[in-house]
Amino acid sequence: AQSVTQLDSHVSVSEGTPVLLRCNYSSSYSPSLFWYVQHPNKGLQLLLKYTSAATLVKGINGFEAEFKKSETSFHLTKPSAHMSDAAEYFCVVSDTGTYKYIFGTGTRLKVLA
Amino acid sequence: NAGVMQNPRHLVRRRGQEARLRCSPMKGHSHVYWYRQLPEEGLKFMVYLQKENIIDESGMPKERFSAEFPKEGPSILRIQQVVRGDSAAYFCASSPEAEGYTFGSGTRLTVV
Repeated sequence: AQSVTQLDSHVSVSEGTPVLLRCNYSSSYSPSLFWYVQHPNKGLQLLLKYTSAATLVKGINGFEAEFKKSETSFHLTKPSAHMSDAAEYFCVVSDTGTYKYIFGTGTRLKVLA
Repeated sequence: NAGVMQNPRHLVRRRGQEARLRCSPMKGHSHVYWYRQLPEEGLKFMVYLQKENIIDESGMPKERFSAEFPKEGPSILRIQQVVRGDSAAYFCASSPEAEGYTFGSGTRLTVV
C-alpha cells in the first residue's frame, strides 16, 4: 500500500536561508511523486513531479527535489527562501500509471523577515 | 484555455440542507476526480468519474454523498442533509488521461 509521511508539520526559516521540507514514501511499484503548494484559501499548484526520469527534479520558483530510492525519500529544497514561499506544502505519491493520489498531511512553511 | 473551474468558492449551509458543488474540467479533459481536505489534513480521494460513468467511488462516504459527470455540463458533487463534519474544502481535478491532474481552486463548505 502506498503512503506518504511528511516529517515536519511546521518549518520556520529566515528569509534568504535554505528551505528543506522532508518527505518519505512507501510504494509497492514504481512511484510517481509530486510536490504541491497551497497558499491560504487558494487552490493547489504543482511545484514539481518525478516520474522515473532524472532523480533530481527542478520545479517552479527555484524549488527542486531529489528522488532517493534507497532512502525512500523525496525531500523538497530551495537555496534561498522568499517571503512569498510561506504556504502549505504537500508531498504526494501515486503508482505510475494510476489515477489515485495519496497526499501527505502537509508542512506549513513560515518565512521570517 | 481556462483551468479547472469550481463554484461556488465558498458555500455555507445549515445542518440538514443540501450542498451542490460544481466542477467544470479543463477543455479536452474527460476524467474528473474529487478530493476532500478536512481541516489540518491532506487531501483524500473521494471519487473518479468519466463522462456519464463512475469509475471509482471507493473514497465516498456510503451515505448522503453522490457524484455525477453528465454528458453535458459540469461534474456535480452532492451532499444531502449536511452535518458539521462535512465542513471541508472540496477539490476537483481533471486530466486528459487517467493521470496528470490539474486541480481547481476548491469549494470551501461550512456547515453551521
